[in-house]
Amino acid sequence: SSELTQDPAVSVALGQTVRITCQGDSLRSYYASWYQQKPGQAPVLVIYGKNNRPSGIPDRFSGSSSGNTASLTITGAQAEDEADYYCNSRDSSGNHLEVVFGGGTKLTVL
Amino acid sequence: QLQLQESGPGLVKPSETLSLTCTVSGGSISSSSYYWGWIRQPPGKGLEWIGSIYYSGSTYYNPSLKSRVTISVDTSKNQFSLKLSSVTAADTAVYYCARHVMVVAAISSWFDPWGQGTLVTVSS
Repeated sequence: SSELTQDPAVSVALGQTVRITCQGDSLRSYYASWYQQKPGQAPVLVIYGKNNRPSGIPDRFSGSSSGNTASLTITGAQAEDEADYYCNSRDSSGNHLEVVFGGGTKLTVL
Repeated sequence: QLQLQESGPGLVKPSETLSLTCTVSGGSISSSSYYWGWIRQPPGKGLEWIGSIYYSGSTYYNPSLKSRVTISVDTSKNQFSLKLSSVTAADTAVYYCARHVMVVAAISSWFDPWGQGTLVTVSS
């Protein structure tokens, strides 16, 4: 199966912009979805498809993709954005019906 | 508002079978637009997709777990279930169920919403 690679940790100053990336061969064929997970809580979908936000997700969250890299951008990071972020996509190997998660990025807001 | 809730034993002995059920409320599991998935997260580690099922019973599994996993659906109870056989300590994790949006011909899929998760510990 394919793999998705994320930086283990990223930090951002309060109010600044941060980009969290996800790399993998499957991203050449499929969009990534992105999840926010705070300690002790279930993951929450923040971006899906080309660049779609579920209801209730602030518009400071956006997604983009180029080649084998997908990015989650937080424009004007807030203290409450400190969390783990995971990317996910369909797997371009095998029957394309399997899915794979990235290893996660821990975001610290300074 | 769609909600999912995992249930099942929190402690399983090594070599035995882990069994969990996800109850869906606020919507029908028989909707033609959705799959239903299981994802797990070992303590302090990342997310791992286990598998997904369509209401018709079609299943797709993580190749690394496929030999030990069975996911089934009971549309009359609006539930779907996970069985993982021959468990070891490495299967200790929080297990989540989630609605899996995946149109086969589409180029994206996502999980939303998620259940709160249930911790399953494998220990004698």
